[in-house]
Amino acid sequence: AQSVAQPEDQVNVAEGNPLTVKCTYSVSGNPYLFWYVQYPNRGLQFLLKYITGDNLVKGSYGFEAEFNKSQTSFHLKKPSALVSDSALYFCAVRAGSTSGTYKYIFGTGTRLKVLA
Amino acid sequence: GAVVSQHPSWVICKSGTSVKIECRSLDFQATTMFWYRQFPKKSLMLMATSNEGSKATYEQGVEKDKFLINHASLTLSTLTVTSAHPEDSSFYICSADPLAGDTYEQYFGPGTRLTVT
Repeated sequence: AQSVAQPEDQVNVAEGNPLTVKCTYSVSGNPYLFWYVQYPNRGLQFLLKYITGDNLVKGSYGFEAEFNKSQTSFHLKKPSALVSDSALYFCAVRAGSTSGTYKYIFGTGTRLKVLA
Repeated sequence: GAVVSQHPSWVICKSGTSVKIECRSLDFQATTMFWYRQFPKKSLMLMATSNEGSKATYEQGVEKDKFLINHASLTLSTLTVTSAHPEDSSFYICSADPLAGDTYEQYFGPGTRLTVT
C-alpha cells in the first residue's frame, strides 16, 4: 500500500536552533515528494518538492529537504528556526490511483512549535 | 500566479439541507482538482478526484451520493454536501493541478469551514 508517515505529532525547537521534521514514504515506482505548510484556518502552502535530480532540495522560507532513497525518507530541515515557522507541516507523495491517473497521499501532519 | 479560491469560506447550515462549495482556479486551467476533508486532529483525507468532463473518482468509504462533485469547466469544480448532518461538519479544502506543463504541484484553496447544526 502507498503511504506517507510522519512519526512525530509535534516538534518543539528553540528559536535559532536547527529543526527537522521527519517523513518516510512507501510508494511503488519513483516517488514524487512534497512538503506543505498550513497556518490556522488556511489552506496548504507549497514549500518544496523532489521529482528527480539532486537529493537535497531547497524551498521557500529557507527550508530544505533531503531525499534518501535507501531509507525511503524525505525529512524537512531548516538551519535556524524562526518563531514564525510555527505551523502545521504536511509531507505528501504523488502516487498512482486505481483509476489510472494519480493522486496525492498526505502524512498526518507535524505541528512545529518554535519557542522564543 | 496559481491562485485557487473557495467559496464560501465558511457556512452554517441546518441538518438535512444541502450545501454547495465552489473551487475555482483563478489564473490557470486545471483538468484535475482534488477535494480533501480535514478533521479536527489535523489529518487531511482525500475524498475524491475531480476530472473536467468526466465523473469524479471517489476514495473508498466516501459516499458518492452524499458528496456530489461536478467539474463543470477547466476552472471550476463544486462539491455539494447533500442532506448534511452534524458529523459532516469539517474543514473542506480543494486543490488544483495546472493543465499547462507538468509542475507536479497542486495549488490549494483556502478551505471552507462547514458547520451543520
